[in-house]
Amino acid sequence: QKEVEQDPGPLSVPEGAIVSLNCTYSNSAFQYFMWYRQYSRKGPELLMYTYSSGNKEDGRFTAQVDKSSKYISLFIRDSQPSDSATYLCAMHKSGGYQKVTFGIGTKLQVIP
Amino acid sequence: DGGITQSPKYLFRKEGQNVTLSCEQNLNHDAMYWYRQDPGQGLRLIYYSQIVNDFQKGDIAEGYSVSREKKESFPLTVTSAQKNPTAFYLCASSGQSSSYEQYFGPGTRLTVT
Repeated sequence: QKEVEQDPGPLSVPEGAIVSLNCTYSNSAFQYFMWYRQYSRKGPELLMYTYSSGNKEDGRFTAQVDKSSKYISLFIRDSQPSDSATYLCAMHKSGGYQKVTFGIGTKLQVIP
Repeated sequence: DGGITQSPKYLFRKEGQNVTLSCEQNLNHDAMYWYRQDPGQGLRLIYYSQIVNDFQKGDIAEGYSVSREKKESFPLTVTSAQKNPTAFYLCASSGQSSSYEQYFGPGTRLTVT
């Protein structure tokens, strides 16, 4: 079993829809939860990170962490064609140097 | 502008040749990383360096080598011993105490035939 599971999609939604992207994980030691956006043939871009449980909002993006269920989500409101990309979740334990464990990414297409 | 640069964007090599991928950052980050990305797989860590003149193997270091002679630079050499070198290679950097907050370069697509 992988430490981080993420549905690769693709996920197609109409412009303006609310998008929900999710990851599950098995290692309860993860404390930092990150979301990256990666456009085709580009490097990943860090969208936001959350420490421990709770919500974090940044513009149209909201990240949620439910540590009791080992489940994290990224919501995109009022989705735009420019949001079409692959979204990678990533996780990290706390304390000194720790490697980041990435999901395989979910490919999102927002249709005009 | 602060950021990470990788060059070249595309690289073609014949089997049996070593090739070096460049990575430079001006974010004043202590830590730097090399990842490999293949379709259907998450990013896999090749090597990382937390400080100049020191680096550690990641999960898939076989067939790769690195050096860290300057804080700004972390070149990766793909040797002929790497069995499946064709991939998208990504360099990243972070603060030494914030390895969860990594910033990536644009990547180098290496094709070996």
